[in-house]
Amino acid sequence: EVQLVESGGGLVQPGRSLRLSCAASGFTFDDYAMHWVRQAPGKGLEWVSGISWNSGSIGYADSVKGRFTISRDNAKNSLYLQMNSLRAEDTALYYCAKDITPMGAADFIFDYWGQGTLVTVSS
Amino acid sequence: SSELTQDPAVSVALGQTVRITCQGDSLRSYYASWYQQKPGQAPVLVIYGKNNRPSGIPDRFSGSSSGNTASLTITGAQAEDEADYYCNSRDSSGNHLGVFGGGTKLTVL
Repeated sequence: EVQLVESGGGLVQPGRSLRLSCAASGFTFDDYAMHWVRQAPGKGLEWVSGISWNSGSIGYADSVKGRFTISRDNAKNSLYLQMNSLRAEDTALYYCAKDITPMGAADFIFDYWGQGTLVTVSS
Repeated sequence: SSELTQDPAVSVALGQTVRITCQGDSLRSYYASWYQQKPGQAPVLVIYGKNNRPSGIPDRFSGSSSGNTASLTITGAQAEDEADYYCNSRDSSGNHLGVFGGGTKLTVL
């Protein structure tokens, strides 16, 4: 059974940093691209960042470019999101999502999602 | 970056057919995927590619595409289909960027 478990969320002041983690199990993690998708309270889904299976291809939404860094450790079956210079508008539930196609850069089709970790940016 | 546009809300009578649409330039090059999200739950993939359903998704869900518009059709809507529906695709630039539509709230009457 595929499982994605996010952690690392919490309350943080504007301008500070936070690192999210996603622990994956139930599939061959290093075969698949992975993504972070967020959802602000009462709002829609927003793609945040994605990373290919071998970290060779990485992308960021304009809203987080230069502030967030995605990475993965295939040996630990884990995905990360380093979030710096956090702003109030980064407040959201952050989901880790698995891409559907193995050994590709990314198809942006998310067939499994975690339950999310809540990040609240407030003073 | 690309944008995908969805109607904010759609309603359908129980047992009837409803179509939810998604428009955007990226859909001329890439298929849309569709996700169902119920309150307090993570999104669930319901349609991807030309018209593919993941295991466990009822066959009343189908997808289609024409030009810059993708559609999700629910044939014989059930009460449990009431949810938010989101489309997404790769960005039209072809770079490693993704985009979601704003979502459609489906009400089953």
